[in-house]
Amino acid sequence: AQKVTQAQTEISVVEKEDVTLDCVYETRDTTYYLFWYKQPPSGELVFLIRRNSFDEQNEISGRYSWNFQKSTSSFNFTITASQVVDSAVYFCALSPSVGNQFYFGTGTSLTVIP
Amino acid sequence: DAGVTQSPTHLIKTRGQHVTLRCSPISGHKSVSWYQQVLGQGPQFIFQYYEKEERGRGNFPDRFSARQFPNYSSELNVNALLLGDSALYLCASSRPGQAYEQYFGPGTRLTVT
Repeated sequence: AQKVTQAQTEISVVEKEDVTLDCVYETRDTTYYLFWYKQPPSGELVFLIRRNSFDEQNEISGRYSWNFQKSTSSFNFTITASQVVDSAVYFCALSPSVGNQFYFGTGTSLTVIP
Repeated sequence: DAGVTQSPTHLIKTRGQHVTLRCSPISGHKSVSWYQQVLGQGPQFIFQYYEKEERGRGNFPDRFSARQFPNYSSELNVNALLLGDSALYLCASSRPGQAYEQYFGPGTRLTVT
C-alpha cells in the first residue's frame, strides 16, 4: 500500500521565522519518487522538488531545503526566513516506479503573518 | 512551450446532470492523468491514459469515465452528478517513459448544486 501522511493540517508563522513541514510516507517499493508541490489560492499545483529513492542527499534551493531520510520514511521541507508569499497549501506526494500514479498527502496550509 | 490547459475554468451543474471536462497536454506529452481534489484534501487519482488506452484507474465509481484522443488531449466525463462530486479536477501530462514527472494544469472547479 502507498500512503503519504502530513500530520500538520495548518501552521502559522510570523514573517522571517523558519518553518518545517513534515511528510511521512509508506511504500513497499524499492524504487519510488517523492515530491513537494505548492498550491496557492488559484489552485494550480506548483512543482517544487522531486527526489528518487536512491538519492538521500539533502537539497537546498534558496530559502527552501529538503531532508530525505529513508530510515524514518520522511521527506521534510523547511522554509528559511519565511515570507508572506510563502502562504499556500503544500502537498507531499509519492510516485512508485510501477503504475506511476501520484499519491498525495492531505496538505499543510501555511500562513505567514506579516 | 504552453503548459497543460484545461477547460472550462469553472462549471456549475445540478445533481443528476452530466459533465465533460477537457485537457490538452504539453506538446510532446503522450500520457494524461486525471485527479479529483475535494476541498481540504489532497488530489486523488482517477485515471491515467497513454496512447489512447487506459493504463490506470483509481477507486472511483463507473459514473466516471475518460478517453484520450489521437492528438493526446483528453476528456473526463462524469454522469449522474452528486453533490460530493464538487471538487477541483486536475489534469497532468507527462512524456513517454517519464510518468514520474507530471505537469499539472490549472484545474477545473466543478460545483454541483
